[in-house]
Amino acid sequence: DIQMTQSPSSLSAFVGDRVSITCRASQTISNYLHWYQLKPGKAPELLIYAASSLQSGVPSRFSGSGSGTDFTLTISSLQPDDFATYYCQETYSTSFTFGQGTKLEIK
Amino acid sequence: QVHLVQSGAEVKKPGASVKLSCKASGYTVTSYDIHWVRQAPGHGLEWMGWIITGNGKTKYSQKFQDRVTITRDTSASTAYMELRSLRSEDTAVYYCARDSGSYLRDAFDIWGQGTMVTVSS
Repeated sequence: DIQMTQSPSSLSAFVGDRVSITCRASQTISNYLHWYQLKPGKAPELLIYAASSLQSGVPSRFSGSGSGTDFTLTISSLQPDDFATYYCQETYSTSFTFGQGTKLEIK
Repeated sequence: QVHLVQSGAEVKKPGASVKLSCKASGYTVTSYDIHWVRQAPGHGLEWMGWIITGNGKTKYSQKFQDRVTITRDTSASTAYMELRSLRSEDTAVYYCARDSGSYLRDAFDIWGQGTMVTVSS
């Protein structure tokens, strides 16, 4: 199975900061990499699909990059609504593996 | 509008089974596959299994292979996930999610609201 390793596991930042979260796959997954946001009591929300494409309705401060094994989610200017947990996921294999998550907290 | 609406919270005893439902609206259910994902308290998202809604074929995570069954009723636009031999570690929020298909590289673009399953004696 493909392993997905996210870093960091947690992150503290101020409103207005630029932050990045990385995700590494144990083997190449082309651009079959997606990012989700999860808040307590709410369903996960797709932010970025195919490594770098912004899902409809998602603010443009979110962006994704990478291909192969190394990927990055960047939030250009943190807003109060962005404090949540973020997950990457590969759909290259039929294991559909998620990363372990990155909890983004207010500093 | 496209929605997935899940059944309500469940409380079960160890060893019991639970069957959750996920009703699709706003699109043709056989056009998109459905996955089931769970999140246990203090843990991350975990993929459980997948049904090809067009033909009913399924694939399950090895972790759940012996205990889970995913089915669908196309006439009711509903997918189901049954988990058997429940144990306390199965306490979690269970989500269904729509597979967007090849255009979005199979990202899970629509999610149900989640169903809390509590396993306790």
